Amino acid sequence: AQKVTQAQTEISVVEKEDVTLDCVYETRDTTYYLFWYKQPPSGELVFLIRRNSFDEQNEISGRYSWNFQKSTSSFNFTITASQVVDSAVYFCALRHGDNAGNMLTFGGGTRLMVKP
Amino acid sequence: SQTIHQWPATLVQPVGSPLSLECTVEGTSNPNLYWYRQAAGRGLQLLFYSVGIGQISSEVPQNLSASRPQDRQFILSSKKLLLSDSGFYLCAWERQSMNTEAFFGQGTRLTVV
Repeated sequence: AQKVTQAQTEISVVEKEDVTLDCVYETRDTTYYLFWYKQPPSGELVFLIRRNSFDEQNEISGRYSWNFQKSTSSFNFTITASQVVDSAVYFCALRHGDNAGNMLTFGGGTRLMVKP
Repeated sequence: SQTIHQWPATLVQPVGSPLSLECTVEGTSNPNLYWYRQAAGRGLQLLFYSVGIGQISSEVPQNLSASRPQDRQFILSSKKLLLSDSGFYLCAWERQSMNTEAFFGQGTRLTVV
């Protein structure tokens, strides 16, 4: 069975602060994929990043960065110099295996509130 | 480019009434399709997924059903809504045979009164 845990249900920061959203996953597969999605107040889930289990390189995209560590089964997401527009619910997700139709397992989400 | 359309955006329905939510995908063929529900302030629950026309798998037994009458059309239905069916419903698609990301529709906020 696979599981994704986002222990932080809600985080509140002041604009320009850095913030890290934690994601810990469980899977028995050696091949798997990790994702982060953003859900703004409008409700639509917006894809942010995909990372496969064989690629532990960290990634940076503008103010966003992701730290994938297989040793601790974590895939954490950091927003640098947060902005009010970053306020949203963020979901981490896991998909195992190489076969089509394997469903995404989502974490419970972390609500990020960035105050001006 | 691929797009996903989901409607209606909001819906208020009385208890016991039927439901039909529609989702269509454009710009791709033979996608995997999904229905998720999100209760207020909570995470995403997978309801149904489909890997092809007429092929529906249910993840959670409940008062809802799904159908895929065409390759890029996915419908979520109920014969008689319950109060507990209220929530935010999201449709998603992804390419088959590749472990790519899923793309989500804009969602339908359903309130059963």
